[in-house]
Amino acid sequence: GQQLNQSPQSMFIQEGEDVSMNCTSSSIFNTWLWYKQDPGEGPVLLIALYKAGELTSNGRLTAQFGITRKDSFLNISASIPSDVGIYFCAGQLGGSQGNLIFGKGTKLSVKP
Amino acid sequence: NAGVTQTPKFQVLKTGQSMTLQCAQDMNHEYMSWYRQDPGMGLRLIHYSVGAGITDQGEVPNGYNVSRSTTEDFPLRLLSAAPSQTSVYFCASSYRFSGLPPLTQYFGPGTRLTVL
Repeated sequence: GQQLNQSPQSMFIQEGEDVSMNCTSSSIFNTWLWYKQDPGEGPVLLIALYKAGELTSNGRLTAQFGITRKDSFLNISASIPSDVGIYFCAGQLGGSQGNLIFGKGTKLSVKP
Repeated sequence: NAGVTQTPKFQVLKTGQSMTLQCAQDMNHEYMSWYRQDPGMGLRLIHYSVGAGITDQGEVPNGYNVSRSTTEDFPLRLLSAAPSQTSVYFCASSYRFSGLPPLTQYFGPGTRLTVL
């Protein structure tokens, strides 16, 4: 089946640093989504991207839908301790009734 | 609104037992889905529903059944539990805008299932 390659697998950063993570695929997606999951909780939708080339921000988070429609990245600026968690990308295939293919996640740790 | 609720929060089963994981949403969403999350594997779609009375299989449907008799509820049944079904199960629901695929926005808190 389709796969998303999400990198890096984990990151250890200092508070205040910027963070960048990305997802790539061999498949073309109609929608890219980014989620954050805290321990013991379900994922929470952060950003949704609908068009190739689209750049969308949500506070300190910025995400882009790649021009080829096969990749996306998420940036977090000026990280804070509450940014700790696992970040997932997900791609939505055209005609898929909304079904998502998830990356394996990037675990973010922030040192105060 | 309570959002998406799941019960139970934790469950331990023996191999061969059956059980139903409950999921309910109070947002009148048409689209509901079930995912399982395994360490290092991300989330994988088990079954989904685009409305009451309509269900379909996802990526990993074997060993699971679903039904959707109402808009609010979408239970997941394990027919004969196996250790490979040890996982965290998430239910999700979404709006469905006319002419567009639904957007999976809301996840429940999860059910942590262990099969011995």
